[in-house]
Amino acid sequence: AQSVSQHNHHVILSEAASLELGCNYSYGGTVNLFWYVQYPGQHLQLLLKYFSGDPLVKGIKGFEAEFIKSKFSFNLRKPSVQWSDTAEYFCAVPLPRGAGSYQLTFGKGTKLSVIP
Amino acid sequence: NAGVTQTPKFQVLKTGQSMTLQCAQDMNHNSMYWYRQDPGMGLRLIYYSASEGTTDKGEVPNGYNVSRLNKREFSLRLESAAPSQTSVYFCASSDTQAGGARETQYFGPGTRLLVL
Repeated sequence: AQSVSQHNHHVILSEAASLELGCNYSYGGTVNLFWYVQYPGQHLQLLLKYFSGDPLVKGIKGFEAEFIKSKFSFNLRKPSVQWSDTAEYFCAVPLPRGAGSYQLTFGKGTKLSVIP
Repeated sequence: NAGVTQTPKFQVLKTGQSMTLQCAQDMNHNSMYWYRQDPGMGLRLIYYSASEGTTDKGEVPNGYNVSRLNKREFSLRLESAAPSQTSVYFCASSDTQAGGARETQYFGPGTRLLVL
């Protein structure tokens, strides 16, 4: 079945540590890819997206993600995290639902806790 | 420009009671969505509306009804609330046709619903 997987449920890091959150999808066609962030008590905000071109995508607040087609992955990275990055991160991929349309399908999320 | 707004922010219901969650967007978007977010489950699509006057079921529509009142407003109704509907509900809108592969969705602040 087509799906989006985030393997890390909860990641705890100290400030200044590097971050990499995994996202894998199971779909063999052309994909568009999104990362959303949800700060505590807030709504989801778009962090970055990939449609085509350079597989290394830069987003807001120093985040970037790399699309590796051969691995069906779109991992999120940040070289040095801050306490303010504490949030839940969601990977999302539009997957086909028939009749030429797509449904934005979310992973289960990864909660990031950054310790000062 | 408020983006996507939702009311109420928080609601407590007793089993069997009914209520309507309101959503409005001021971005002139055609497509609107209702999701529910449960711990460890990510976001799951309840219903969506590609345009005024049209609605379609998503992944988890049972127990819910929706109304696309006009281009701005999309409401979600629980006719007879159940404890399993305790969740955080998010409304979203997008500026592209619902079901597009490159659709970017924008989210409201959410409604926390507790059903006792």
